[in-house]
Amino acid sequence: EADIYQTPRYLVIGTGKKITLECSQTMGHDKMYWYQQDPGMELHLIHYSYGVNSTEKGDLSSESTVSRIRTEHFPLTLESARPSHTSQYLCASSGLTDTQYFGPGTRLTVL
Amino acid sequence: QKEVEQDPGPLSVPEGAIVSLNCTYSNSAFQYFMWYRQYSRKGPELLMYTYSSGNKEDGRFTAQVDKSSKYISLFIRDSQPSDSATYLCAMSASGGSYIPTFGRGTSLIVHP
Repeated sequence: EADIYQTPRYLVIGTGKKITLECSQTMGHDKMYWYQQDPGMELHLIHYSYGVNSTEKGDLSSESTVSRIRTEHFPLTLESARPSHTSQYLCASSGLTDTQYFGPGTRLTVL
Repeated sequence: QKEVEQDPGPLSVPEGAIVSLNCTYSNSAFQYFMWYRQYSRKGPELLMYTYSSGNKEDGRFTAQVDKSSKYISLFIRDSQPSDSATYLCAMSASGGSYIPTFGRGTSLIVHP
């Protein structure tokens, strides 16, 4: 079973707050990803990383930023949350193949 | 036209039915094909991973790839209410250098 963790699982915050969503994996995977998914809708790639100190923007424009200082850790930060950021955020990682393993997700609500 | 097309459903079947879930794609470079299951408010879970054309079986699940038609299928035998979930297909062009392209998912409901 894939070991990829996300915290918090649920977060309700007010507009304008800075938040960081945590993602960690213990599989030694080089590649990590962040997706945004609204209920019943498709996955949208917002950031990805091919390794330490590598970060790229995905297909969906996002006001969030990411960092990759350690292989196992890929946090996502929103400097100033808005109601339009309300969504589920999914972190994933992959190793030698393109098969991605997903975390349980963080459900974010911005009031 | 999207690279990967998947009917969102919902697909409703009685318990015990054989379920067929499908995706079509346009990129002939795709070689690796995956199926994920996603329960409500959870992350997607990898079900099947296949390379190139052919069939792969794992318990009640069979993945089928027809590259000539650019068409992949996931069959679920003896479907159970616990199979009720959204099923996403994903595919990529290489074995480690590309980000998979996901379908939007098909919602499956298996009723007792």
